[in-house]
Amino acid sequence: DAMVIQNPRYQVTQFGKPVTLSCSQTLNHNVMYWYQQKSSQAPKLLFHYYDKDFNNEADTPDNFQSRRPNTSFCFLDIRSPGLGDAAMYLCATSRDHARSYEQYFGPGTRLTVT
Amino acid sequence: QQPVQSPQAVILREGEDAVINCSSSKALYSVHWYRQKHGEAPVFLMILLKGGEQKGHDKISASFNEKKQQSSLYLTASQLSYSGTYFCGTERNTGNQFYFGTGTSLTVIP
Repeated sequence: DAMVIQNPRYQVTQFGKPVTLSCSQTLNHNVMYWYQQKSSQAPKLLFHYYDKDFNNEADTPDNFQSRRPNTSFCFLDIRSPGLGDAAMYLCATSRDHARSYEQYFGPGTRLTVT
Repeated sequence: QQPVQSPQAVILREGEDAVINCSSSKALYSVHWYRQKHGEAPVFLMILLKGGEQKGHDKISASFNEKKQQSSLYLTASQLSYSGTYFCGTERNTGNQFYFGTGTSLTVIP
């Protein structure tokens, strides 16, 4: 039973063309995270939601936005993708604060920018 | 700052043991360990919530030295399925800002 679902699994977009990645969860977890992972690197946190509270990492480019319309869904919008935004995008959830609770990851969306 | 892991990469023969270390320049309030296989998402292994804690299941265990701001992951009698990249992770202070370590690539060969 899938618990964290990401769509699409693979996304190809053109340079500068907006793209939206989606994530949904069946765990009813409070916290949802978006990570960017480039080849041979660790996942890098872009932002997270604690319930409806949005928390942006200081070094996340303005080009990246997020929406969480309800507990189950979270979206990552890339307004004007550049070649450097090609990466795996991982969505994760946790029941509560990362200090005390494990994260559950979706399978990821591989973004290619042409 | 991102926690630093050592070694960066290790190759083992089946049945051998390995230790992966995770060090932070900031105070560690808890430490997570994840394994990621190529092309897949990270999978949770364990979390250590307080200094001095040790945990383990199967032949994978971990320790957390809060004073030294370090954690170590121990893999004993390694199996082929242990291959992957291991990441430690920690929350910075409060607020769910989560940082993965630099990663350790582990390859187990027959």
